[in-house]
Amino acid sequence: GAGVSQSPRYKVAKRGQDVALRCDPISGHVSLFWYQQALGQGPEFLTYFQNEAQLDKSGLPSDRFFAERPEGSVSTLKIQRTQQEDSAVYLCASSRGTGSSYNEQFFGPGTRLTVL
Amino acid sequence: DQQVKQNSPSLSVQEGRISILNCDYTNSMFDYFLWYKKYPAEGPTFLISISSIKDKNEDGRFTVFLNKSAKHLSLHIVPSQPGDSAVYFCAASPVTGSARQLTFGSGTQLTVLP
Repeated sequence: GAGVSQSPRYKVAKRGQDVALRCDPISGHVSLFWYQQALGQGPEFLTYFQNEAQLDKSGLPSDRFFAERPEGSVSTLKIQRTQQEDSAVYLCASSRGTGSSYNEQFFGPGTRLTVL
Repeated sequence: DQQVKQNSPSLSVQEGRISILNCDYTNSMFDYFLWYKKYPAEGPTFLISISSIKDKNEDGRFTVFLNKSAKHLSLHIVPSQPGDSAVYFCAASPVTGSARQLTFGSGTQLTVLP
């Protein structure tokens, strides 16, 4: 079966440009997460969706970062007026359920964003 | 302030020997712990997990140990194989909230030498 897919795999942007990163979660997965992984670091949580509702955006580093999941499946992470410090790998993960017990998160391959 | 720490950026082990990767955490609200394995240009892949109500979980060559009083967990790989060479991330999930987002350590690069 298909896993989590992300596009583009690589993106180079000039400072100040807007970018949009796409995530296709595993079909039927209710939960969707975005993480940012800087070079040499572990992934850091950005935001969480339960179906189409964005329930947690506490990890978004600034108001230049915006995420949506309008129909409860595909999600887009948008970064406006990119800065060099935005250079990182952006990982998307999805999981089957929600609630009190942990559900395994399946990760996509990531989008490597380089801001020049 | 890092809530999950992996203090060894790298580890080299001979094939067939045991690999031991360590992880420390500070947040008492974490109740579920995981190890992920990551190859270059791929996303992290789930390896093994442990709930805070247990102190050991075993899956084939992989065993995770949890010491709650010390806020420490470790991953043992026995015997180590060259295909195990990858970056290993320790991660933790909190007991509260619906998000259950993961907090990751900075990773340990394991190299298994043939």
